[in-house]
Amino acid sequence: AQSVTQPDIHITVSEGASLELRCNYSYGATPYLFWYVQSPGQGLQLLLKYFSGDTLVQGIKGFEAEFKRSQSSFNLRKPSVHWSDAAEYFCAVRSSGSARQLTFGSGTQLTVLP
Amino acid sequence: KAGVTQTPRYLIKTRGQQVTLSCSPISGHRSVSWYQQTPGQGLQFLFEYFSETQRNKGNFPGRFSGRQFSNSRSEMNVSTLELGDSALYLCASSGGTGVVTEAFFGQGTRLTVV
Repeated sequence: AQSVTQPDIHITVSEGASLELRCNYSYGATPYLFWYVQSPGQGLQLLLKYFSGDTLVQGIKGFEAEFKRSQSSFNLRKPSVHWSDAAEYFCAVRSSGSARQLTFGSGTQLTVLP
Repeated sequence: KAGVTQTPRYLIKTRGQQVTLSCSPISGHRSVSWYQQTPGQGLQFLFEYFSETQRNKGNFPGRFSGRQFSNSRSEMNVSTLELGDSALYLCASSGGTGVVTEAFFGQGTRLTVV
């Protein structure tokens, strides 16, 4: 069965600092990987996705993520955090079959200090 | 293009009642998935519908059911509500005939059981 681990429950960074959110997955074959962001009381917004090809993927809002098969990781990065980035971030994995079920990590809450 | 629309946004129900939630996917999308989000269990997959057929089901009791109509709109029903059913219910749609597609989420329905 597939699983996702986000080791950091809560991260605090200062505005303008760089950010890296960790994500490790467990899946037998090549996974499809996603990062979503959720603001309080809202749904999930897709930041970026990895299906195949270039292991460094660019997303919206200046985010990027790198797929490392050897480490089973898909960490999210941003070079300079803005106060509006404060939210909860979820990493998700999906099988490469026809079923579109997503398995989510437990999320990382990001606080941005002024 | 309109996004995924979930109605209602908020619901308060009494224990033992039943409830029906609605989801209208992005136009042209044929796959609709439902997720339950709670502080304790995180995001959990309920079920997926594709072309009016349930394609995949999560580990939830039979009180949770769903259906999809010919226009791809979906409903989920929870019967005999329990306090633990209080949660944010999220609907996601994905489209295309290919396997490699991402899921787009609605704003969710916040269900409170009292």
